[in-house]
Amino acid sequence: ETGVTQTPRHLVMGMTNKKSLKCEQHLGHNAMYWYKQSAKKPLELMFVYSLEERVENNSVPSRFSPECPNSSHLFLHLHTLQPEDSALYLCASSQDRGNAGELFFGEGSRLTVL
Amino acid sequence: GENVEQHPSTLSVQEGDSAVIKCTYSDSASNYFPWYKQELGKRPQLIIDIRSNVGEKKDQRIAVTLNKTAKHFSLHITETQPEDSAVYFCAAGTGGGADGLTFGKGTHLIIQP
Repeated sequence: ETGVTQTPRHLVMGMTNKKSLKCEQHLGHNAMYWYKQSAKKPLELMFVYSLEERVENNSVPSRFSPECPNSSHLFLHLHTLQPEDSALYLCASSQDRGNAGELFFGEGSRLTVL
Repeated sequence: GENVEQHPSTLSVQEGDSAVIKCTYSDSASNYFPWYKQELGKRPQLIIDIRSNVGEKKDQRIAVTLNKTAKHFSLHITETQPEDSAVYFCAAGTGGGADGLTFGKGTHLIIQP
């Protein structure tokens, strides 16, 4: 058990729906991340939070809205998504943002947009 | 920015044989090179990493080599076993944190019994 849990594991939504993905880490880490994983493509970093402050947004469309209420929880709010947004969304955490070190991933939320 | 190329995309080997996965990177400032393993339906997990101050690192049946001059690094798995079947991702980055990492596209390793 890596200590990073994501819910829901699977989500099917229409393009007009609003839903949220949740991530929780029990490792006492200071940095949390959202990644998008699509078939045959590299892991794409979407958002970075360090000590609850967003430090990077890699040109992600505004239909994805992150929220980090505290250092243990991270949300990804979804609205007006497109079919091409269907993918596995992975949450990860690391001890700190400032040093290269191990990323601890959750098992992901498989999103299907109809 | 950094660009990481990973080859092959699929690798099939007989159980007991060795497997080698290769990655190249473009940014000479990169100094941290991790490898992640993702089993089907599971989360990616770090299996080994190397920093630019060493040329090789080994952990039981897995090893990573780094050639800074040529900007390439490789993952070597010896005496492959069925549980080695997974997708392996390389990454390259600077010491600026996990947000400085660029991942390769992954290699699907299949161990044939």
